[in-house]
Amino acid sequence: DAKTTQPTSMDCAEGRAANLPCNHSTISGNEYVYWYRQIHSQGPQYIIHGLKNNETNEMASLIITEDRKSSTLILPHATLRDTAVYYCIALHGSSNTGKLIFGQGTTLQVKP
Amino acid sequence: KAGVTQTPRYLIKTRGQQVTLSCSPISGHRSVSWYQQTPGQGLQFLFEYFSETQRNKGNFPGRFSGRQFSNSRSEMNVSTLELGDSALYLCASSLGGAAGNQPQHFGDGTRLSIL
Repeated sequence: DAKTTQPTSMDCAEGRAANLPCNHSTISGNEYVYWYRQIHSQGPQYIIHGLKNNETNEMASLIITEDRKSSTLILPHATLRDTAVYYCIALHGSSNTGKLIFGQGTTLQVKP
Repeated sequence: KAGVTQTPRYLIKTRGQQVTLSCSPISGHRSVSWYQQTPGQGLQFLFEYFSETQRNKGNFPGRFSGRQFSNSRSEMNVSTLELGDSALYLCASSLGGAAGNQPQHFGDGTRLSIL
């Protein structure tokens, strides 16, 4: 599975969009990009995943560049409850195992 | 739909003891994975079970073991506990099969403290 690189920390004003970048320059054609977040003292929460196309759900949008070497998670209207560590993970599409490799993630601080 | 349930939430043990942690996956999910989270090492994969068989294992000593039952519930066991085993142990479940397109959903973990 490809290595991902994320900024260590980011700030965002409450009510504004939070754009979290992730670099995965060595990603292969059949590796999915997954995003999870972890709020203090809770288990990681699944947010969204995608392969090639941009994806949107009730929580966020995922924008994947055409060359698939990077992606951006967008929280459209950040709230204080979105303060968390966000993890970007690449996972092989035909993998038959559940091994997620977590990096250090991005600590997002949403400020009033 | 109920989420992943882990019991107990908190546990205190002493060095040399053994411990068993339990995980009930989301109904219909057949894959269960276990992770260890510590401040120093972050989130690390322990092992994954699917249909009562271990499909993958991380780099942990043999003191860490697990099993899965026919109803997909899973347990992990740590024997001869060491101080360094103090951690948050997380369980995640997914439908199974080809894992790439199937999100894992996590429980809130068992916090194990070793005295």
